[in-house]
Amino acid sequence: GAVVSQHPSRVICKSGTSVKIECRSLDFQATTMFWYRQFPKQSLMLMATSNEGSKATYEQGVEKDKFLINHASLTLSTLTVTSAHPEDSSFYICSALMVGGPNEQFFGPGTRLTVL
Amino acid sequence: SQKIEQNSEALNIQEGKTATLTCNYTNYSPAYLQWYRQDPGRGPVFLLLIRENEKEKRKERLKVTFDTTLKQSLFHITASQPADSATYLCALEGRRDDKIIFGKGTRLHILP
Repeated sequence: GAVVSQHPSRVICKSGTSVKIECRSLDFQATTMFWYRQFPKQSLMLMATSNEGSKATYEQGVEKDKFLINHASLTLSTLTVTSAHPEDSSFYICSALMVGGPNEQFFGPGTRLTVL
Repeated sequence: SQKIEQNSEALNIQEGKTATLTCNYTNYSPAYLQWYRQDPGRGPVFLLLIRENEKEKRKERLKVTFDTTLKQSLFHITASQPADSATYLCALEGRRDDKIIFGKGTRLHILP
């Protein structure tokens, strides 16, 4: 149980295009999902907290107009990287908090974004 | 600012021995401390959570200690196996929200 999926697992895009990444909780409901970014040999850095039905809360230094987050249902959050640039190339990971569950974030497998 | 340090970037341990990883933190009073395992190109997998009022927690071959005075946690893997080779992340969770702050991790190599 408590599986989180991400789609796509890898994406390569041209500079200036937009990329959407989906995060789904497969067998549980999640009112809160988190989006992280991880550069090679670095720690996971929280980008934003996504709450179902409300606006996401972004961490300092993260541009909300560039990283659009939509949490339309209790099982789906999406992150759209708009006008992607090579410096946006990174490993994007989502996690989900189970409604009424243990105080534990369940992580997705991650999405490797490469911007050419 | 809050800071988490994991003592070494990489650690080599002989199979069968106990691996001990260290996590130190400053400028923070976490309500929970967590340890995760991360394999290359994969998301983290939760291993153990220890609360601020707990000194030690065990799960099978894993043991975590938490010293809030020293602001340190030790993570032990006993009877280590090559399959335990991975990066282990220390993470802190505060009191006010569910946000987690991660350390950079320690890459553990268990040598056969």
